[in-house]
Amino acid sequence: NAGVMQNPRHLVRRRGQEARLRCSPMKGHSHVYWYRQLPEEGLKFMVYLQKENIIDESGMPKERFSAEFPKEGPSILRIQQVVRGDSAAYFCASSPRSTTGELFFGEGSRLTVL
Amino acid sequence: TQLLEQSPQFLSIQEGENLTVYCNSSSVFSSLQWYRQEPGEGPVLLVTVVTGGEVKKLKRLTFQFGDARKDSSLHITAAQPGDTGLYLCAPIQGAQKLVFGQGTRLTINP
Repeated sequence: NAGVMQNPRHLVRRRGQEARLRCSPMKGHSHVYWYRQLPEEGLKFMVYLQKENIIDESGMPKERFSAEFPKEGPSILRIQQVVRGDSAAYFCASSPRSTTGELFFGEGSRLTVL
Repeated sequence: TQLLEQSPQFLSIQEGENLTVYCNSSSVFSSLQWYRQEPGEGPVLLVTVVTGGEVKKLKRLTFQFGDARKDSSLHITAAQPGDTGLYLCAPIQGAQKLVFGQGTRLTINP
């Protein structure tokens, strides 16, 4: 049973470009969470999704950031018109149900904005 | 708004020493999880504590949940270089998202 798969592992973008980060949850998991981690800091919640629904996006910046989890395919975190401050590691986690149990994390996608 | 504090923020000790890190809040939790994140990887769950006063042991790691369910501690005995990592606590209060503390960044020097 494969774990949470994130790609790309590393992404370099210039200011103003778009970044798309993908997350395939573990098999059987219908709950997906995205977190952002700046260097030397903890994990900041961004968004919680179930299939075709955004449940909680209270941690998402109001502009340029969006997330989806379509019926088919991976969850996508999209950052438009990236700025240097978007440089961070973005982690996806999945669970088979809403949060009372374990979250299973991917290895992260590291975005560098030049 | 829940205020969650982990201390110390950074800790560097020699192999073989003992240490304790803390997770404190102003709110009462239904349960709490501890995760460890190694460099370059995602966090991995270590333990979930549920009952006030509960103590759980995982080899050299001892986790305690405060009687009032507002705080927790993690004690490591005879630390080893493999224990190096970021230790994160995450309280569960019935909300659907997991909110992490800032973490304690632990370095064990050989």
